[in-house]
Amino acid sequence: EVQLVESGGGLVQPGRSLRLSCAASGFTFDDYAMHWVRQGPQKGLEWVSGINWNSNSIGYADSVKGRFTISRDNAKNSLDLQMNSLRSEDTALYYCVKGSNSWGKNGFFDVWGRGTLVTVSS
Amino acid sequence: DIQMTQSPSSVPASVGDRVTITCRASQHISSWLVWYQQKSGQVPKVLIHAATDLQSGVPSRFSGSGSGTDFTLTISSLQPEDFATYYCQQAYTFPQTFGQGTKVEVK
Repeated sequence: EVQLVESGGGLVQPGRSLRLSCAASGFTFDDYAMHWVRQGPQKGLEWVSGINWNSNSIGYADSVKGRFTISRDNAKNSLDLQMNSLRSEDTALYYCVKGSNSWGKNGFFDVWGRGTLVTVSS
Repeated sequence: DIQMTQSPSSVPASVGDRVTITCRASQHISSWLVWYQQKSGQVPKVLIHAATDLQSGVPSRFSGSGSGTDFTLTISSLQPEDFATYYCQQAYTFPQTFGQGTKVEVK
């Protein structure tokens, strides 16, 4: 069974850092791009970041560029999101998402984790 | 960045209705447009990719059309399980942006 399990969420103060992780199983991890998508409380979906199969192509939403860093470890079937300088507007449920192809663009998101909740508040 | 604009933001509808949702991209995205359905408390599910391709297992009452900048999702005969929020997303380039969502609700 294809599965994505996020961890690392929690309550954090503005300006602090948090690292999210995603453990993947049930598919050949290094054959696919991976993404983070977030959804604020009662809000829509926002693509946060994506990384292709070999980490050569990475993209970020403007809202997180310079603060968040995506990375992957194909040997460990894991995806991370390092989030620095967190703001209240970063409060959201963060989904780890599998892309339908290896390069990240021109595909779609076919498997979603259940999400990990990040709350930024003092 | 490419902006995705959906309309309407909500659609009051009844079972059996034909429902149409539109999505406009701020620049040309060829056919790299994806439609997702999200039911309350659930993760999103892909319905249509490459603007017109029905994802495996998705009922044929869902269809997509369009290319370039203007796209449409159509539900030919709304079923009770179709009340949900629908999002379009451009997959043409990074950052991959979503529309703001369209909620199909009970009339």
